[in-house]
Amino acid sequence: DTEVTQTPKHLVMGMTNKKSLKCEQHMGHRAMYWYKQKAKKPPELMFVYSYEKLSINESVPSRFSPECPNSSLLNLHLHALQPEDSALYLCASSQTQTGVPYEQYFGPGTRLTVT
Amino acid sequence: GIQVEQSPPDLILQEGANSTLRCNFSDSVNNLQWFHQNPWGQLINLFYIPSGTKQNGRLSATTVATERYSLLYISSSQTTDSGVYFCAVTTRPNAGKSTFGDGTTLTVKP
Repeated sequence: DTEVTQTPKHLVMGMTNKKSLKCEQHMGHRAMYWYKQKAKKPPELMFVYSYEKLSINESVPSRFSPECPNSSLLNLHLHALQPEDSALYLCASSQTQTGVPYEQYFGPGTRLTVT
Repeated sequence: GIQVEQSPPDLILQEGANSTLRCNFSDSVNNLQWFHQNPWGQLINLFYIPSGTKQNGRLSATTVATERYSLLYISSSQTTDSGVYFCAVTTRPNAGKSTFGDGTTLTVKP
């Protein structure tokens, strides 16, 4: 099974709301990732968790707060977002060994609209 | 950081035609993947190919790591091949960080 699931598929939120995106994998992968993708652009890395610890934060604003409760789950908590944060948010996972990632598998994404 | 360039940016084909997509990268890589992003946004794994040649049905890929490029071949294209093709690389000093090229948008017409 090479499936990564994400919920919700679509999310509309106001600038004062707090919401969370969820990602789950059952492939035994120990690295998980959040990416942001704007229309007609490539995915941009936001965060990497390796063995449930945050290993990379690509200078993401604090209104985005990641959490990795266990090796299968990854959350992205959203608070006080701006309209320019509207995008497709993609989760991915991979095996990793001594910090070297192997093949990444992506979830279907959450389309976020901030009004 | 590493630069990843894909060409061509756009490609329009008739069904049944063959095509070659290219990915050039500016530094040594330890990981290279090709993805197809469908119209719904799902990134589908095509190849994990840091070096060598692989084939999967009508698709094949070759990475020449010493010359810093990778090629994706699509033969007998079908309308379902339409979408955006991305290559993504990681380098050893930044092992957890994937850098994507800007993609090639492929349109296959019936």
